[in-house]
Amino acid sequence: DAKTTQPPSMDCAEGRAANLPCNHSTISGNEYVYWYRQIHSQGPQYIIHGLKNNETNEMASLIITEDRKSSTLILPHATLRDTAVYYCIVRVGPSGNTPLVFGKGTRLSVIA
Amino acid sequence: DGGITQSPKYLFRKEGQNVTLSCEQNLNHDAMYWYRQDPGQGLRLIYYSQIVNDFQKGDIAEGYSVSREKKESFPLTVTSAQKNPTAFYLCASTSWKGALFFGSGTQLSVL
Repeated sequence: DAKTTQPPSMDCAEGRAANLPCNHSTISGNEYVYWYRQIHSQGPQYIIHGLKNNETNEMASLIITEDRKSSTLILPHATLRDTAVYYCIVRVGPSGNTPLVFGKGTRLSVIA
Repeated sequence: DGGITQSPKYLFRKEGQNVTLSCEQNLNHDAMYWYRQDPGQGLRLIYYSQIVNDFQKGDIAEGYSVSREKKESFPLTVTSAQKNPTAFYLCASTSWKGALFFGSGTQLSVL
C-alpha cells in the first residue's frame, strides 16, 4: 500500500472549516483514500473514503486532486468535539480484506 | 445494536503471566484485526484474520497469539514472551466497503 504524509498538527477556530491535507504521491490506480479519526482513548472512527471523485457525507467532504497524488479532508464547521487525531490511509479496496496501515496522523485542535 | 465489543476495558498483567483480550463482533464481518497503540503513536498491526480458522501475522506479532474458531470472535493472548506489553489494544473488523470498525479498546498494564 502507498505511503501517506500528513502534517503532525493543526489548529482550527471553532465554527470555521478545517482542511486537513494528505500527500500520497505513490498511490496506484486501484488504491482508495480512507480517512479515520481517533478521539483520545477511543478506537478510530471511519469518516469517509474515495477513489478519484470528490465525496461528501454527513461528517465531512473529501477532495482528491485530479492526479490523485494528494487529498484534503474538509470538516465544514469544526466544533470542539472534532478535536482528534486524523489518519489518512491508502489501500486497495473497497472489497479487499487486507489490513490498513496507520501512520501518526494529524492532531487537530479546535479552539474556542 | 451491531458493533464490536472488547473486554475488559482495563487489564493488569503480572510478570510471566499470559493474559487474553476478548473481541466479539455481531456485524457479520469476515475479516478481523488486532492493533497495538503506544502513547503518541499510530496503530501497529499485530495479527489479522480474513476468514474463520485462518490468521496471519502483522508487523509486531512476536509475543502474541490469536485464534479464530468462530466468525464472531477473535481473542488475543499476550504471552509472557512479550516483554513490553503495556499499551492500548484495539480490535477491528472490516465491512464490505473496506472500512474498518473498531472496538473501544483495552488498556493493558504490567504490575
